[in-house]
Amino acid sequence: EAGVTQSPTHLIKTRGQQATLRCSPISGHTSVYWYQQALGLGLQFLLWYDEGEERNRGNFPPRFSGRQFPNYSSELNVNALELEDSALYLCASSSQGQRGTEAFFGQGTRLTVV
Amino acid sequence: SQQGEEDPQALSIQEGENATMNCSYKTSINNLQWYRQNSGRGLVHLILIRSNEREKHSGRLRVTLDTSKKSSSLLITASRAADTASYFCATVPGTASKLTFGTGTRLQVTL
Repeated sequence: EAGVTQSPTHLIKTRGQQATLRCSPISGHTSVYWYQQALGLGLQFLLWYDEGEERNRGNFPPRFSGRQFPNYSSELNVNALELEDSALYLCASSSQGQRGTEAFFGQGTRLTVV
Repeated sequence: SQQGEEDPQALSIQEGENATMNCSYKTSINNLQWYRQNSGRGLVHLILIRSNEREKHSGRLRVTLDTSKKSSSLLITASRAADTASYFCATVPGTASKLTFGTGTRLQVTL
């Protein structure tokens, strides 16, 4: 069974540009979560999608947005990139929210803004 | 702000020794989970302990939970060099449905 897959693995963008990150959850999982991990720091919750809808959002500006498609895959879009957006972006999936079950993580997309 | 705070921030031990990491959290929880991260890659789920459980084992891992103190500990026995990684605790607070991670403990196991 395939795990959570993220693409691309690495992404280098210039300040002011837009970045699009993609995530495919484990088959059967309806919830997708996005986290930002800046170098040497913990994971900061970004967004939670379930059944195609945004369920919860972390403390990030509106230029961080995303969506979930009918097949439960998800995109994270970051507009007007800033240098501080450089981080590892992790996607996780779970069944029926993360309340009682473990989350399965992808390997992440390392975004570098120059 | 982080719901969980791990202690210590970094730990260096020799192979064969035991490693103990602690996690404290602030609000009531549904469950607490421990994850491992190798070299800034994806996280791997290690163990989940529910709020009505006090101790749980999985191989060389032992997790305890004290809800009265809002704390948990992860013990890795007979550590190996391959255990070198960052370890995070994560909680599902109260009625929320998202994992909130601590800042992590960096474990270095040397030969």
